[in-house]
Amino acid sequence: AQSVSQHNHHVILSEAASLELGCNYSYGGTVNLFWYVQYPGQHLQLLLKYFSGDPLVKGIKGFEAEFIKSKFSFNLRKPSVQWSDTAEYFCAVKDGNNRKLIWGLGTSLAVNP
Amino acid sequence: DGGITQSPKYLFRKEGQNVTLSCEQNLNHDAMYWYRQDPGQGLRLIYYSQIVNDFQKGDIAEGYSVSREKKESFPLTVTSAQKNPTAFYLCASKKDNSYEQYFGPGTRLTVT
Repeated sequence: AQSVSQHNHHVILSEAASLELGCNYSYGGTVNLFWYVQYPGQHLQLLLKYFSGDPLVKGIKGFEAEFIKSKFSFNLRKPSVQWSDTAEYFCAVKDGNNRKLIWGLGTSLAVNP
Repeated sequence: DGGITQSPKYLFRKEGQNVTLSCEQNLNHDAMYWYRQDPGQGLRLIYYSQIVNDFQKGDIAEGYSVSREKKESFPLTVTSAQKNPTAFYLCASKKDNSYEQYFGPGTRLTVT
């Protein structure tokens, strides 16, 4: 069965530090990849997505992610985090004709001011 | 103002009672989903529906039931058969030709 693995469950950073959250998936065919974010008390919302083309995808609020097919990875990055980035981050994958998203367990990010 | 509404935000029930969680969307989306979110376990799919009057079981459907009588509405019933019903429940929807799911604010159910 397909699976999505997020390596970091809890991350604590200081403001201005760089961020990289790992995401690996198990499916070997064509995939669509997503990062969602859940800010405290807010709806889960789409941060960025990859369907095809340039493997470096830019999203909202300065986030980006790189799709590396050979590594089955879609890591999320931000060069300089802010306190307002404190949230839970979820990686999700849709494979082929599957109508469902497969979700990672999430990474809780706390940014200290 | 388009979006997904879930009500109520907090719900408390006694063990052994069935409870229905509401999910309404005015986005004209075809597909709707119910997820359960528990700390450290990510999102787990309970049921989903691609079209009115049709729905499929997700990964953890046991103890839950749904209906899809209208495009806008996808209520979830948590039955007394669900062994561990206390959780945060999220409803989502998406257009048929899109992959992006839009989420509601969630309902936190506590069963004692």
